[in-house]
Amino acid sequence: DQQVKQNSPSLSVQEGRISILNCDYTNSMFDYFLWYKKYPAEGPTFLISISSIKDKNEDGRFTVFLNKSAKHLSLHIVPSQPGDSAVYFCAARGNSGGSNYKLTFGKGTLLTVNP
Amino acid sequence: GAGVSQTPSNKVTEKGKYVELRCDPISGHTALYWYRQSLGQGPEFLIYFQGTGAADDSGLPNDRFFAVRPEGSVSTLKIQRTERGDSAVYLCASSLGGEAFFGQGTRLTVV
Repeated sequence: DQQVKQNSPSLSVQEGRISILNCDYTNSMFDYFLWYKKYPAEGPTFLISISSIKDKNEDGRFTVFLNKSAKHLSLHIVPSQPGDSAVYFCAARGNSGGSNYKLTFGKGTLLTVNP
Repeated sequence: GAGVSQTPSNKVTEKGKYVELRCDPISGHTALYWYRQSLGQGPEFLIYFQGTGAADDSGLPNDRFFAVRPEGSVSTLKIQRTERGDSAVYLCASSLGGEAFFGQGTRLTVV
């Protein structure tokens, strides 16, 4: 049972346009959400996070939006650049039973930014 | 070192053999995690160390898998009697309570 779902395996956008990556979760105990970026043959790299007490967090070209009632979050990248081409993983962390360290990941979305 | 280091980068082993995968976390990071990423999947939690002790090993798939961190720094993931289904990328991460920083992973192939 996938608790974190990324329903789009891939996304292709033009350079300069906005990229929107979506993520849904089912576990209401999740209270902290993260996005990781992964290039081939490298480990995931932390990109941006958001606590469940917020609905938006922005860092340069990257903004994460959280809709708790819909159990949905999204990552916006604007403007998209070819170097942003990578697999993006959504991850969530909960606070139940003291498990506030364990990350649950989605399957990832492959973003391709075309020049 | 500057980041989390995992060795080897690639490991090919025969079914039934024993393997050890090593992780050097970021210096000073007390928390260490092992994850496994199978093809087409996201990383899946295996085990979490806080210091020297395994605080949560609930993600280890069975008793062929074991991990240690004897001095609270380097960790070794040990897999006995490897099976083809163990083939995956094994990722190590460390943290100091905040975001986890991942190594590049060890790609294990069991033939």
